[in-house]
Amino acid sequence: GAVVSQHPSRVICKSGTSVKIECRSLDFQATTMFWYRQFPKQSLMLMATSNEGSKATYEQGVEKDKFLINHASLTLSTLTVTSAHPEDSSFYICSARPPGIGVNSPLHFGNGTRLTVT
Amino acid sequence: DAKTTQPPSMDCAEGRAANLPCNHSTISGNEYVYWYRQIHSQGPQYIIHGLKNNETNEMASLIITEDRKSSTLILPHATLRDTAVYYCIVRVGSGNTPLVFGKGTRLSVIA
Repeated sequence: GAVVSQHPSRVICKSGTSVKIECRSLDFQATTMFWYRQFPKQSLMLMATSNEGSKATYEQGVEKDKFLINHASLTLSTLTVTSAHPEDSSFYICSARPPGIGVNSPLHFGNGTRLTVT
Repeated sequence: DAKTTQPPSMDCAEGRAANLPCNHSTISGNEYVYWYRQIHSQGPQYIIHGLKNNETNEMASLIITEDRKSSTLILPHATLRDTAVYYCIVRVGSGNTPLVFGKGTRLSVIA
């Protein structure tokens, strides 16, 4: 089945530093990937849509200069949290949908990256 | 906002069927019903989806009412590993669009 892989699974960084999270589609090409964020005891919230070869689109309230998204190839999207602060500590999850199966094909999710900013 | 309503939590005895309800009274004719689950500290896992017919796969069965305003996910023989948050999501079946998650149902399978 379709596999979406994230790296790293956990990261701890100091306040003010930047962290890069990678999302890869392992057995399919994804022109679009979606990034979500999940705070403790809450549901997933869509942050942005990553588009291969073009700029990402961000949801309202998500700072595009803080959460940099680069979709450099058809199998890789990266999310960089710049100048991280403790309030950015969260569970970040990416997802992608394999093409060609059908317009109602399911979205597949990575296993998430737990970011802790100290 | 999510277009579905689910009970916040449910318990189920191990080995019994778990029946998780979902209301989606404003569903449109071209919207599918998707079910995902999220085990603690993992990404959501796809379970099943359907439009109007009942569906079954190796994980679960999906029963959609005739008026499509509600559905039930059935795990036929729940195990402890089925303890998770289950999300019912409606989505138009066209375009590469994201899923909008509600709060889901926290299912606890008890030994």
